[in-house]
Amino acid sequence: SQQGEEDPQALSIQEGENATMNCSYKTSINNLQWYRQNSGRGLVHLILIRSNEREKHSGRLRVTLDTSKKSSSLLITASRAADTASYFCAVTGNQFYFGTGTSLTVIP
Amino acid sequence: DAGVTQSPTHLIKTRGQQVTLRCSPKSGHDTVSWYQQALGQGPQFIFQYYEEEERQRGNFPDRFSGHQFPNYSSELNVNALLLGDSALYLCASSLVGAKNIQYFGAGTRLSVL
Repeated sequence: SQQGEEDPQALSIQEGENATMNCSYKTSINNLQWYRQNSGRGLVHLILIRSNEREKHSGRLRVTLDTSKKSSSLLITASRAADTASYFCAVTGNQFYFGTGTSLTVIP
Repeated sequence: DAGVTQSPTHLIKTRGQQVTLRCSPKSGHDTVSWYQQALGQGPQFIFQYYEEEERQRGNFPDRFSGHQFPNYSSELNVNALLLGDSALYLCASSLVGAKNIQYFGAGTRLSVL
């Protein structure tokens, strides 16, 4: 069963806008990671945030983590058409659990 | 530097048959994990191999088994295939202790008819 859930399930925005997607999880974690998947291909690691961190940046990506609420958010700033993909959060506890994913469409 | 490679890319089987999927990890990686991803869903963890042993297992029946070879490559075997086994099977490699960041292959698309 999925241990994480992303919200929204689908998101459509114009190029240049910011995209925010959220992840909620159930288990205690060591860290939380975000991955991207293009068209049913393999997943690509984007960013990792440790359980004792609250915010992390990498290029146009900003991730926050609230362990008290068991939630995380991924912000993609100044989106591009190439950002169109599915985004998954993954939590690392006893096992590696992926969420259900957010499908992002960036319209040129 | 070769990434994670999986073979075959596509496979069609009928119910009751057996299938073997193969994975070569990224150079330098010693841990291989397998995932099943149904259409429109997130990947679900099947199991993980390290030092040729199954170290962790998700909620999958014994029909799913695996193996890791001394060169760290791995196989996933599924017996008595069911229609519900149709999915994208993803292999991911990692280096033990490296924060569990996974590097994924492109996957094997299995269709069970």
